[in-house]
Amino acid sequence: ETGVTQSPTHLIKTRGQQVTLRCSSQSGHNTVSWYQQALGQGPQFIFQYYREEENGRGNFPPRFSGLQFPNYSSELNVNALELDDSALYLCASSLNQGAGGYTFGSGTRLTVV
Amino acid sequence: KNQVEQSPQSLIILEGKNCTLQCNYTVSPFSNLRWYKQDTGRGPVSLTIMTFSENTKSNGRYTATLDADTKQSSLHITASQLSDSASYICVVSPMFSGGYNKLIFGAGTRLAVHP
Repeated sequence: ETGVTQSPTHLIKTRGQQVTLRCSSQSGHNTVSWYQQALGQGPQFIFQYYREEENGRGNFPPRFSGLQFPNYSSELNVNALELDDSALYLCASSLNQGAGGYTFGSGTRLTVV
Repeated sequence: KNQVEQSPQSLIILEGKNCTLQCNYTVSPFSNLRWYKQDTGRGPVSLTIMTFSENTKSNGRYTATLDADTKQSSLHITASQLSDSASYICVVSPMFSGGYNKLIFGAGTRLAVHP
């Protein structure tokens, strides 16, 4: 059974650019949640995808968007990057929106300069 | 004000000693409370999960307690090891969150175990 895989592990972008982060969910899981974790803080919920549809969203602007594919892998897209977007982005997969718990990936460290 | 507050913010203990981390929350009603361990630069790993009706849960050297009346939880680590050095995060799931299972994270307690 494979866990949650995120790519890339590290990324440096310039302010104003766009970025796409990827997440492969754990085998058998159909739900993916994305979180932003600033240094020294707990993760903040961005949004959740369940069976290819967004069914929950946190307090993030529309330039944060996502997709979930038929194999339940997911992408997080951020447009018009700002310096404050620098953070660790975590993906968590689960079965049926959290039943049985969540498995987190190791995250993508995004630095915006 | 954060809905999940943790204390202390950081803690240094000697290898072999015990320690207790605190979590106060205002989320109510809630369906479950979890403790996660997060190594630097890694994703969180689940240690314990308790429903609102449970008051203790153990996982090896980790024991979590829950007092739903005072809205407090604690994580006790026994006989600490160098590998326990990490951030420990308290996470609460509200009972009703608009159709999805929302997780509210505390900021974590950063534990350093020294030889």
